[in-house]
Formats: sequence, C-alpha cells, structure tokens
Amino acid sequence: KQEVTQIPAALSVPEGENLVLNCSFTDSAIYNLQWFRQDPGKGLTSLLLIQSSQREQTSGRLNASLDKSSGRSTLYIAASQPGDSATYLCAVLMNTGFQKLVFGTGTRLLVSP
Amino acid sequence: EAQVTQNPRYLITVTGKKLTVTCSQNMNHEYMSWYRQDPGLGLRQIYYSMNVEVTDKGDVPEGYKVSRKEKRNFPLILESPSPNQTSLYFCASSFGTSSYYEQYFGPGTRLTVT
Repeated sequence: KQEVTQIPAALSVPEGENLVLNCSFTDSAIYNLQWFRQDPGKGLTSLLLIQSSQREQTSGRLNASLDKSSGRSTLYIAASQPGDSATYLCAVLMNTGFQKLVFGTGTRLLVSP
Repeated sequence: EAQVTQNPRYLITVTGKKLTVTCSQNMNHEYMSWYRQDPGLGLRQIYYSMNVEVTDKGDVPEGYKVSRKEKRNFPLILESPSPNQTSLYFCASSFGTSSYYEQYFGPGTRLTVT
C-alpha cells in the first residue's frame, strides 16, 4: 500500500529565505507526482506536476524534483514571501488504470514579514 | 472561468438526515472524484467516475453513494450521515485518466454531523 510522508509537518521562516519541502513515498510504481497548495477555506491549487520519467519541473520561484527510484521529491521555494504561507501537499498518481491520487498529510508553511 | 464548484460550502446536520453535496465542473472533464480530508490522515478518495454512468469505489466508500447522470455533475450522497463522516470534502475533475492531466479541485465542503 502506497504511503506518502511529508517532512516537516510545519515550517516557519522569515521572508526572503529559500526553503525546501520534502515528500517521500513507499511504492515507486507511480505515474506522476503533483505538488498542491491549500489555503484555508479554499480548494487545492496544482503547483507542479512531474511525470515519472522526468527529474524536475520549474514554475517561477518553484522547483520540484523527483527521484522515483528512491521514492523522494522536493519542492524548492526561492525567495519566500508572506503570500507563500499555506499548506503544501504532495500527491502521487498510482498506475492502477484510473486516476487515484495518494496524498501526503502536508507541510504547513508560515512566511513572516 | 474554468472551475469546479461545490455546494454547500458549509453544512451542519444531525445523524441520520440524508444529505447531498453537489459538484459541478464546466471544463467538459470525463473524470471526477470525491475525497475527504481529515487531520493526520490527509486526503482519501471516496468514489470516482471515469465517465457518465461509470462509477467505482475508492479507499473509503462506506456510508457514501454517488451518481453520474450528466458529464458535468457528480453529487455525493450521504443516506444516513454519522458523526464519523464529519470532514472536509473535495470534488476533483480532470480531462481523463492519462498521467498528463492535472486534477482540478473544488473549494471544499465542510460537513459537521452531530
């Protein structure tokens, strides 16, 4: 059974710092890995999607890497801003023939001015 | 604007009173699914639908029903809600089952069953 773990559970940093969020998964038979952002009272917003054959994806100040063989992904946020404060979730898409995302429990990020 | 909508956004109800949470998407997506989110457990899939009239169970289907009579709508039905169904519910949709398709999520429905 796939298990997805995110460390740390919470993180507090001052504005401007570069930071790394970690995600690990136990079963490497995945189609892709997605990073989401969740804001209180709002839904999930997809940030980056990495196919299983890819090593990384970039969008603006965000860079996500994937090492499928070791079951790890990292989300790098450059020059953090208070607006980055949210909960970040990683999810892996299992190759079960239909779209089943298995989520981690998230990292709650607070960026202080 | 492309979006997934859910109604209601907040609901407090009592044990045993049937309720329906609606989900609608305007992107002509084939695939839709329901998740629940609980502290310490993350999001878990309840049901999914690959297309109209095609639905199947996810990881935690007990106590829930779904139907997919139209492509855009995928309601979640709780026939006899119980307190352990108190949770935050999300509907999601995507174009299809390919790994290249992102899933789009609705804003969530916070349900409390007393």
